[in-house]
Amino acid sequence: DAGVTQSPTHLIKTRGQHVTLRCSPISGHKSVSWYQQVLGQGPQFIFQYYEKEERGRGNFPDRFSARQFPNYSSELNVNALLLGDSALYLCASSSLSGNTEAFFGQGTRLTVV
Amino acid sequence: GNSVTQMEGPVTLSEEAFLTINCTYTATGYPSLFWYVQYPGEGLQLLLKATKADDKGSNKGFEATYRKETTSFHLEKGSVQVSDSAVYFCALSDRAGGTSYGKLTFGQGTILTVHP
Repeated sequence: DAGVTQSPTHLIKTRGQHVTLRCSPISGHKSVSWYQQVLGQGPQFIFQYYEKEERGRGNFPDRFSARQFPNYSSELNVNALLLGDSALYLCASSSLSGNTEAFFGQGTRLTVV
Repeated sequence: GNSVTQMEGPVTLSEEAFLTINCTYTATGYPSLFWYVQYPGEGLQLLLKATKADDKGSNKGFEATYRKETTSFHLEKGSVQVSDSAVYFCALSDRAGGTSYGKLTFGQGTILTVHP
């Protein structure tokens, strides 16, 4: 079975640009969460979606947005990129049943120059 | 709010040494606790978990016991290998109404380097 897949794996953007990151969850998983991991730190929660609805949002500005599609895949959008947005963006999927655990993708390494 | 604190600074050990990485947490309710491992250039992999007090999670020789009285979930391994070199993250998942929406709160991570 395929795990969580993210695309692209790496990208470089210029300050002020917009970026879209994509995530496909494990088959059968209906929940997708996004995390930002700045170099040398632990991942920080950005969003959680379940059944196409936002179920949680971390302390991130409105430049960050996301959505979930009927097939449970998800996109994370970041507008007006800042140098500080450079990070590894991780997507995690979970089945949302009882003591759920999250399975992570390999991440998208975003560099803003 | 919820928070996780891991021991400061990288850990450097010789092969076959004993490993302890300390983790303490602050949370409301009854969180589930996790250890994730991140190898260079990769995403996070679940190493082990515990969902209630006194549970012991174990995997690949690693163990951690959920201690509610000390709000701790320390990671241990009796004999580390070079291949265990990675970054280790302690995390908790808050639970609402008996289920978890999968939001994880992570510690800052501990870099483990094992020398032959």
